[in-house]
Amino acid sequence: QKEVEQNSGPLSVPEGAIASLNCTYSDRGSQSFFWYRQYSGKSPELIMSIYSNGDKEDGRFTAQLNKASQYVSLLIRDSQPSDSATYLCAVTNAGKSTFGDGTTLTVKP
Amino acid sequence: GAVVSQHPSRVICKSGTSVKIECRSLDFQATTMFWYRQFPKQSLMLMATSNEGSKATYEQGVEKDKFLINHASLTLSTLTVTSAHPEDSSFYICSARDRRQGTVTGELFFGEGSRLTVL
Repeated sequence: QKEVEQNSGPLSVPEGAIASLNCTYSDRGSQSFFWYRQYSGKSPELIMSIYSNGDKEDGRFTAQLNKASQYVSLLIRDSQPSDSATYLCAVTNAGKSTFGDGTTLTVKP
Repeated sequence: GAVVSQHPSRVICKSGTSVKIECRSLDFQATTMFWYRQFPKQSLMLMATSNEGSKATYEQGVEKDKFLINHASLTLSTLTVTSAHPEDSSFYICSARDRRQGTVTGELFFGEGSRLTVL
């Protein structure tokens, strides 16, 4: 079992729809959780960070964390073609970050 | 957000030569920097953790004599791929954590990545 698991996709949604990306992790001691977006051929860029249970909203993005279920998700509202990318879930414990394999999202105009 | 600069962005070299990649934190100090390798359509693979003033910590399966890491200052880490071979061709990415944020919860800031092609 991988330490951080994501659906590889591809996930395809129409423009304007909500895209839902999911991530589960195995280390119960994990302390911080991040979502990164990576365009093809580019390095990852931070989208959201979340540290406590519940929801965190930033513009069109909402991160949800449930430590009891070891689950973190990212919702993208009003999806745009420019959101098409690979989304990486990262889980950090004692300074070491572990990345999932990423979910590829395609937003169709 | 904090800026991490990585150079060169692309490098092509002949088999058997060595290539050095630099990673600089431009507006913050990074006690720790991380080096990753990413093959096409695959996720980031952590190669090593670079600590300022001490030896790097390598992940299992990564040859420390082939991938030399130096972290001479709080703003600069270098990765040297020695005696490069075609199978070393990959996308190499560094990241850093702002020491002011601490090591527990701080987010990672990524460099732009370096695409290495070994002929």
